[in-house]
Amino acid sequence: AQTIHQWPVAEIKAVGSPLSLGCTIKGKSSPNLYWYWQATGGTLQQLFYSITVGQVESVVQLNLSASRPKDDQFILSTEKLLLSHSGFYLCASFWGAYAEQFFGPGTRLTVL
Amino acid sequence: QEKVQQSPESLIVPEGAMSSLNCTFSNSASQSIWWYQQHPGKGPEALISIFSNGNKKEGRLTVYLNRASLHVSLHIRDSQPSDSAVYLCAVTNNAGAKLTFGGGTRLTVRP
Repeated sequence: AQTIHQWPVAEIKAVGSPLSLGCTIKGKSSPNLYWYWQATGGTLQQLFYSITVGQVESVVQLNLSASRPKDDQFILSTEKLLLSHSGFYLCASFWGAYAEQFFGPGTRLTVL
Repeated sequence: QEKVQQSPESLIVPEGAMSSLNCTFSNSASQSIWWYQQHPGKGPEALISIFSNGNKKEGRLTVYLNRASLHVSLHIRDSQPSDSAVYLCAVTNNAGAKLTFGGGTRLTVRP
């Protein structure tokens, strides 16, 4: 069975500090991977997607970047956090007959 | 750019009642429409999808799609307190590669 893991579970960071969030998918080769962001009480927005290692497409500009260093790994990062980066970050992939998107457990980020 | 709007923002129903949630989208050529359930602090979980005009039923869930009016609805029969969650409507294109979500409907089912 396919599973999506995210780390860390939660982070509290200072404005201006760097950030790295990780996502690993197990049980599926060459997955499409996605990063989503959800502000508290806000709409889920797709940030990045990646079809293959080394290739990442940006969907929404939020002063964040993403990388796909391995087939099963997707990293979201920034060198300088802003207050507006606070929220819930979700990694997702899709599989199945109906191309259903599955989401990881998420990382809660608080920027102070 | 695809736009997805959901109504109402919040819905409170008594246990055993029918819950009806609405979603409108902007692109009639959109592929599938998905409904997701999200509990606080968790990732969304897919409930049901529909591609063709008409209705689709799975257990207590029924979804209706009308592409001409760009409208889809989700109905939960015999609502239970455990159904209390945020329900998200999402529209896909490119074989599921891009999902555009609505703002969600917060459903509360009172015992």
